[in-house]
This record gives sequence, structure tokens and C-alpha cells, in this order.
Amino acid sequence: DTGVSQNPRHKITKRGQNVTFRCDPISEHNRLYWYRQTLGQGPEFLTYFQNEAQLEKSRLLSDRFSAERPKGSFSTLEIQRTEQGDSAMYLCASSPKVRISDTQYFGPGTRLTVL
Amino acid sequence: AQRVTQPEKLLSVFKGAPVELKCNYSYSGSPELFWYVQYSRQRLQLLLRHISRESIKGFTADLNKGETSFHLKKPFAQEEDSAMYYCALKGFQGAQKLVFGQGTRLTINP
Repeated sequence: DTGVSQNPRHKITKRGQNVTFRCDPISEHNRLYWYRQTLGQGPEFLTYFQNEAQLEKSRLLSDRFSAERPKGSFSTLEIQRTEQGDSAMYLCASSPKVRISDTQYFGPGTRLTVL
Repeated sequence: AQRVTQPEKLLSVFKGAPVELKCNYSYSGSPELFWYVQYSRQRLQLLLRHISRESIKGFTADLNKGETSFHLKKPFAQEEDSAMYYCALKGFQGAQKLVFGQGTRLTINP
């Protein structure tokens, strides 16, 4: 499968623990995005990378959230001191920088449950 | 502020009937509009975008700037169209984030 992959697919954790998710974009896609989706809502933008540079961050991304893309390939999203309100599906997407606007291809998501 | 509204959370129609999923947006400039679809147990995928002016799987959508709408239409629904549909907006040129509506679950009854 050459699509966007995310690991783990499911994560259950206790409140206060740290969690880290990984996203592997489609090969040679230099743009990478993180979104969060809660039940009954559409995805909400969290952050965006072009290569290794984090170019945009949402106000949703509190100081407990950090995202990295150290070599411009895979990305990690870490949530520190998780809260029950962090329970959601975390989606990753990637797109090629061919022109100004390009299709974003989504991964299957990581479902986080905070107990 | 950028906002996308899909007024119907659920929509149910019979096979062969016309379908219209509504999408209204709020944006002061010239946005790009998209429809994404998520079939059962599959990932979110692009259905169509307004700049392409194409028909995908029989669906079309026209951007109406006067009414700030981007409704998705299909003249004859098929059972395989049952899915979750999201309207999304991308703002000014160079901005990359997508702003999604809350989605409409479309069910096609046999």
C-alpha cells in the first residue's frame, strides 16, 4: 500500500500519560498535515509542514501538543499530560508541492481514547 | 473567519432518486471548495473540487459565490453512494489548511 500510513491505529491511555503518533506520508510528498476529528464533527486542522518546516499551527494546538518532521519524511505528533478531551481521531494527510493547491491524501487515522 | 456549514447531518433517499447535499461557506475572499467522501471502513478521500469542474461518480457541484454555496448533486442515487460526505474550504492562495463542515451521512435505500 503506497498511501499515507499512521501508527498506531488505536491507542488507549490513562489521563496524564504522554502519547506519540507517527505518520508516514506518500513517498515524495513534501507537504504533511495533521487534523483532529471528534465524534460527529468534521476534521479540524492542527498543523502543517512543508518538508521539515512547520509553517502553520492552529490555536487548537496547545502547549501540550508538539509535532515534528525532522527529516522532511515521516512526522510525529506528541500529546503530553493527556486529558479526556483529547480523545479523538487524529488524521494525517500529505500532498505534493506541484502547484499552489494540491489534493490532500488522508491516512486511516489513529483513534485515541483517554480514560 | 472561514466557516463551512452542512445543514443536514443525515440524509436518506431511495435508489434512483436525485440527491442534493447542501454546503454553505463563509469566507471574504475567493475560496477553493472541495467535497470529500468517506465510505464505510475506508479513509477520507477527495470526491471533487470546484476548480476541476468535473463529474465524479455522477456527482457534480457548482460554486455559487452569490449564495456562498457549493451543493453536491447527483441525478440518480445508487446504493454505493451511501457514505459520509464532507464539504471543505481552502482559503487564500498559499494557505494550505482545509476547513471542513461537520459532514452529512447519506443513506441510499433500496
